[in-house]
Amino acid sequence: GAVVSQHPSRVICKSGTSVKIECRSLDFQATTMFWYRQFPKQSLMLMATSNEGSKATYEQGVEKDKFLINHASLTLSTLTVTSAHPEDSSFYICSARGTESYEQYFGPGTRLTVT
Amino acid sequence: AQSVTQLDSHVSVSEGTPVLLRCNYSSSYSPSLFWYVQHPNKGLQLLLKYTSAATLVKGINGFEAEFKKSETSFHLTKPSAHMSDAAEYFCVVSPHEGGGYNKLIFGAGTRLAVHP
Repeated sequence: GAVVSQHPSRVICKSGTSVKIECRSLDFQATTMFWYRQFPKQSLMLMATSNEGSKATYEQGVEKDKFLINHASLTLSTLTVTSAHPEDSSFYICSARGTESYEQYFGPGTRLTVT
Repeated sequence: AQSVTQLDSHVSVSEGTPVLLRCNYSSSYSPSLFWYVQHPNKGLQLLLKYTSAATLVKGINGFEAEFKKSETSFHLTKPSAHMSDAAEYFCVVSPHEGGGYNKLIFGAGTRLAVHP
């Protein structure tokens, strides 16, 4: 149980375009989802926390207009990187938390490359 | 403020020998502490967690960790390394305000290499 998927697993886009990453909880209802960013050989940094049906809470230094987060249902959250630039290239990981436990379950990650 | 320091960026051991990955934390509250493992191009897997119960925590795949409040440490150990243990390991802390945990703060990670 407690499986979280991400789609796509890898994406390459051109500079200036937007790309959407999906995070789904497959077998539980995720009231809260988290988005992390991981640069090569570095740790995970929390970008934002989203609760179903409300606006996401962004960490300091994360541009909310650039990284749009939508958590419209209890099983799906999306992260849209708008007007992507090469410096946005990174590994994006989501996690989800249900109602029965405080534990976060992590997705497999999405590797974004902006050319 | 909460923070976590993983004292070694790389650890290399021979197969069959013990593993020690060191972690120190800083927290204003009684924290929850976790160890996650990340294999290449895969998601994070929870190895074990401490949430104010027994100080010696046993996890999956033979790993265990001991919470030592006096030393603010939560080192990860395994008696005998296996080739499949080669991966990146993250020590994670979360404040325990109000009884639950929300924000996870990750250490920089320790890359474990296991040699034949």
